[in-house]
Amino acid sequence: GAVVSQHPSRVICKSGTSVKIECRSLDFQATTMFWYRQFPKKSLMLMATSNEGSKATYEQGVEKDKFLINHASLTLSTLTVTSAHPEDSSFYICSARQTGGGSYEQYFGPGTRLTVT
Amino acid sequence: RKEVEQDPGPFNVPEGATVAFNCTYSNSASQSFFWYRQDCRKEPKLLMSVYSSGNEDGRFTAQLNRASQYISLLIRDSKLSDSATYLCVVMTTDSWGKFQFGAGTQVVVTP
Repeated sequence: GAVVSQHPSRVICKSGTSVKIECRSLDFQATTMFWYRQFPKKSLMLMATSNEGSKATYEQGVEKDKFLINHASLTLSTLTVTSAHPEDSSFYICSARQTGGGSYEQYFGPGTRLTVT
Repeated sequence: RKEVEQDPGPFNVPEGATVAFNCTYSNSASQSFFWYRQDCRKEPKLLMSVYSSGNEDGRFTAQLNRASQYISLLIRDSKLSDSATYLCVVMTTDSWGKFQFGAGTQVVVTP
């Protein structure tokens, strides 16, 4: 159980285009999902907390107009990187926390490797 | 000062040996603690939660020391498949369940 999928796993796009990444909880409902990015040999950095049915909460320094998050259902959150630039190239990982149950464990998707040329 | 600090390693461990490492955290309000493992270019996978009384899961033992604000992970009888980066994760209940990650401790188990 507690499987999270992410799509696409890898994407290469040209500078100035937008890229949408999907995060799905496959066998549980997730009121809250999280979006992270990770640079090589660095820790995961939380970008935003995605709450079903409400606006996402962004961490300091993360541009909400550049990284659009939509959490339209209890099993799906999307991250859209708008007008991507080479510095946005990174490993983007989502996680989901199971609704109820009293557990704070997060289950991670397999990540999306974005390369902007 | 980072909120969660780990020795980056690498810890080079002969197969079958025991390895242990710590993680310190700065926020005394931290309530929940986890160890995740991350393989190269993969997502983190939950290894174990860390409970106040300490807990064991097979060859893995986790301890929490609230007074000194650190958690530890001990791996017994190391296997080659234990080679990975181990991420310390701390959560405070006043941060809506957000995780604070350490940068990870790399463990390399050698034959």
